[in-house]
Amino acid sequence: AQTVTQSQPEMSVQEAETVTLSCTYDTSESDYYLFWYKQPPSRQMILVIRQEAYKQQNATENRFSVNFQKAAKSFSLKISDSQLGDAAMYFCAYRSSVTGSYQLTFGKGTKLSVIP
Amino acid sequence: DSGVTQTPKHLITATGQRVTLRCSPRSGDLSVYWYQQSLDQGLQFLIQYYNGEERAKGNILERFSAQQFPDLHSELNLSSLELGDSALYFCASSAAGQPTDTQYFGPGTRLTVL
Repeated sequence: AQTVTQSQPEMSVQEAETVTLSCTYDTSESDYYLFWYKQPPSRQMILVIRQEAYKQQNATENRFSVNFQKAAKSFSLKISDSQLGDAAMYFCAYRSSVTGSYQLTFGKGTKLSVIP
Repeated sequence: DSGVTQTPKHLITATGQRVTLRCSPRSGDLSVYWYQQSLDQGLQFLIQYYNGEERAKGNILERFSAQQFPDLHSELNLSSLELGDSALYFCASSAAGQPTDTQYFGPGTRLTVL
């Protein structure tokens, strides 16, 4: 079974600075998908960014980018120019591409605080 | 707003009772996923339906059951409730249940068992 590990339960960043959240995963599959979801105090789960394992290029979405290291099974999220609205729980998630197994496997999350 | 709706937003009930949580997927989405978020277990996959049929099962207890109806809305039934069932229950939907699809989450139903 796949596992996802987020080793930083809490992190903080100064407004306008850059922060990197770590995620590692364990799988024997070669083709899969990785995601970062944001959960603000409202509890809504919001997709931040996704990465297909077969793509070598790291995904970017505005101020959010990932560092995907397939061999190391590492998938970190970098948030640039941090804003107060970025304060939330961030979950790393894995999805297999094996037929019938499309559910998301989540890490325990990292709580990000943004200091004004 | 993801387009996925869940009712009710909050539910408070007693041990031993039965409740039903409802989810309406985004327009056009055929696949529905249920997840449970608790302090102990984090976010866990419970069950997936695709176009009315069960597609995959996760850590779903035997006391829990679900179904997806012809109009594609889904219900999660929780029975013989225990204190440990208190959690946030999310429904997510995707277009066709394929690995390339994005799952969009509803706002969740907060269940409190007293």
